[in-house]
Amino acid sequence: NAGVMQNPRHLVRRRGQEARLRCSPMKGHSHVYWYRQLPEEGLKFMVYLQKENIIDESGMPKERFSAEFPKEGPSILRIQQVVRGDSAAYFCASSPMGSNQPQHFGDGTRLSIL
Amino acid sequence: ILNVEQSPQSLHVQEGDSTNFTCSFPSSNFYALHWYRWETAKSPEALFVMTLNGDEKKKGRISATLNTKEGYSYLYIKGSQPEDSATYLCVMSGANNLFFGTGTRLTVIP
Repeated sequence: NAGVMQNPRHLVRRRGQEARLRCSPMKGHSHVYWYRQLPEEGLKFMVYLQKENIIDESGMPKERFSAEFPKEGPSILRIQQVVRGDSAAYFCASSPMGSNQPQHFGDGTRLSIL
Repeated sequence: ILNVEQSPQSLHVQEGDSTNFTCSFPSSNFYALHWYRWETAKSPEALFVMTLNGDEKKKGRISATLNTKEGYSYLYIKGSQPEDSATYLCVMSGANNLFFGTGTRLTVIP
């Protein structure tokens, strides 16, 4: 009964490269949430997705960031042309239904930008 | 943007003491209130979800209450243990979005 799986655990990129972060939700969960934790700060909501739909992306920067949750496969958070300020821990969570259900978190991806 | 506020920001208690902290949130657009426990170097762990005014939930030595009319929730820990040391996050959800508090950092001193 696997939990939320995120990969990679650690990702190093140079400025200007692309970063792709993957999240496989728990079995039976169709709602995925992405969060960012900047150094010395708390969790910040980025985006909420249901299969093939973006429900709320109000926390995601308008440029360079995108997220998807296709019908098949994991959810992907994509950061284009990364900058130093993108260095953070990115957490994914899933729930079986909507936002009144408890979320189960993955272990996060630590993104470091050189 | 809705503000979810938690107090205190950090707290040190002696082992065996009971403690509590507060989450306040705007009553409008309320859908559910979540509490998470987040240990350093780990991922947040769900403690409770409450939706109705007057809800009370309990899990071992930890319990929580909810007042949606006045917009606050309390988290109580009875007989604190060193393993309770963590950040306790309060999250308010609307129908489609989530608003995080900044957390209360609890340190239990043996």
